[in-house]
Amino acid sequence: DGGITQSPKYLFRKEGQNVTLSCEQNLNHDAMYWYRQDPGQGLRLIYYSQIVNDFQKGDIAEGYSVSREKKESFPLTVTSAQKNPTAFYLCASSPTMSRQGPIGDYGYTFGSGTRLTVV
Amino acid sequence: GNSVTQMEGPVTLSEEAFLTINCTYTATGYPSLFWYVQYPGEGLQLLLKATKADDKGSNKGFEATYRKETTSFHLEKGSVQVSDSAVYFCALKTGANNLFFGTGTRLTVIP
Repeated sequence: DGGITQSPKYLFRKEGQNVTLSCEQNLNHDAMYWYRQDPGQGLRLIYYSQIVNDFQKGDIAEGYSVSREKKESFPLTVTSAQKNPTAFYLCASSPTMSRQGPIGDYGYTFGSGTRLTVV
Repeated sequence: GNSVTQMEGPVTLSEEAFLTINCTYTATGYPSLFWYVQYPGEGLQLLLKATKADDKGSNKGFEATYRKETTSFHLEKGSVQVSDSAVYFCALKTGANNLFFGTGTRLTVIP
């Protein structure tokens, strides 16, 4: 079955460490996204990528980095510059983008999330 | 700009009660509207969507009608179950823009 896989489900980080969250999809989606969710709050966009080798900052990109070397993969690195990284991180993807925008009015497909805790 | 305003929670209902979660939006152009559901410890799942005015999205007993005149997309269910306990997010998308989410409404259904 096609889907989007995030790993690990739980991740613990020591102060000053960089950690990388994995996101893989086999849906043949062009666009991929990273969101952060804090308790009792909505989703905030960190980074997004519409095509391979291209990505843009979202609303809260500081302290994070991404890469998009393959269509299927969009890993997120939480760097030591992110002062409050404890949160639930969600990866999503959406279907093929044309030059005019997404083909069809599709929503996003989400992974099951990674809970990051600083210890 | 684009924004979504959701009814603040939490909402607590008894089983078989009627559910309404309000959602209103502001958008440039003509957005597509979505409701997502998040069960504890999981990612978001698409619950239903509507892509133009007067469309009704429906799934698993939930419904929402795209009301252009009131810029609303309220979520309703006639009889909730304990298994419906989750956080519900309203969202919109216009053209090539990203999805804009509301802040979410937590629903707890008690037996």
